[in-house]
Amino acid sequence: QQKVQQSPESLIVPEGGMASLNCTSSDRNVDYFWWYRQHSGKSPKMLMSIFSNGEKEEGRFTVHLNKASLHTSLHIRDSQPSDSALYLCAASPLNMGYKLTFGTGTSLLVDP
Amino acid sequence: DPKIIQKPKYLVAVTGSEKILICEQYLGHNAMYWYRQSAKKPLEFMFSYSYQKLMDNQTASSRFQPQSSKKNHLDLQITALKPDDSATYFCASSRDWASQDTQYFGPGTRLLVL
Repeated sequence: QQKVQQSPESLIVPEGGMASLNCTSSDRNVDYFWWYRQHSGKSPKMLMSIFSNGEKEEGRFTVHLNKASLHTSLHIRDSQPSDSALYLCAASPLNMGYKLTFGTGTSLLVDP
Repeated sequence: DPKIIQKPKYLVAVTGSEKILICEQYLGHNAMYWYRQSAKKPLEFMFSYSYQKLMDNQTASSRFQPQSSKKNHLDLQITALKPDDSATYFCASSRDWASQDTQYFGPGTRLLVL
């Protein structure tokens, strides 16, 4: 069983809409969560990271983290067609910050 | 200019052959990594290096051998290739190894083993 589970597997939102993506780790040792975005045929690029309980906002992107449940979510408001991509969640333990365990991703399509 | 270079971009190999994937980073980072991404599987951590020293190896097979000739180089040699090795191999780097530094990924080498 994968240690990082993402849902939904795929998501379609209208242009200008809100996209909400979820990620949960089953490894109690993880302490840091990362969200990467990977456009088709390209490499993953880091969007946001979070390690404290609560919320972090950067532009149209908001990340939430609940450390007790090891659940993080990424919300994209005012979604644009250029946001269409595979969104990867990764988790790493505090003492092994380099060791990213990725989920299989959520494929987001923003319908213009 | 690209900060992480991977060569070649595409690679076709026959079963049983050997190939070397090249990675160079110009970000001034001290840590480098290899990941593998196969269809329908998560991006998978393979190796990590810090200052040219192997720090972690998560590949079960000795057919995969990283090689670091310089601090900003980390190549991946794959021997006795199998069709299951077909994947996109990403090189990544970060400022330091132990801390929670952002990892930056190269463009990848797409390997197809026939």
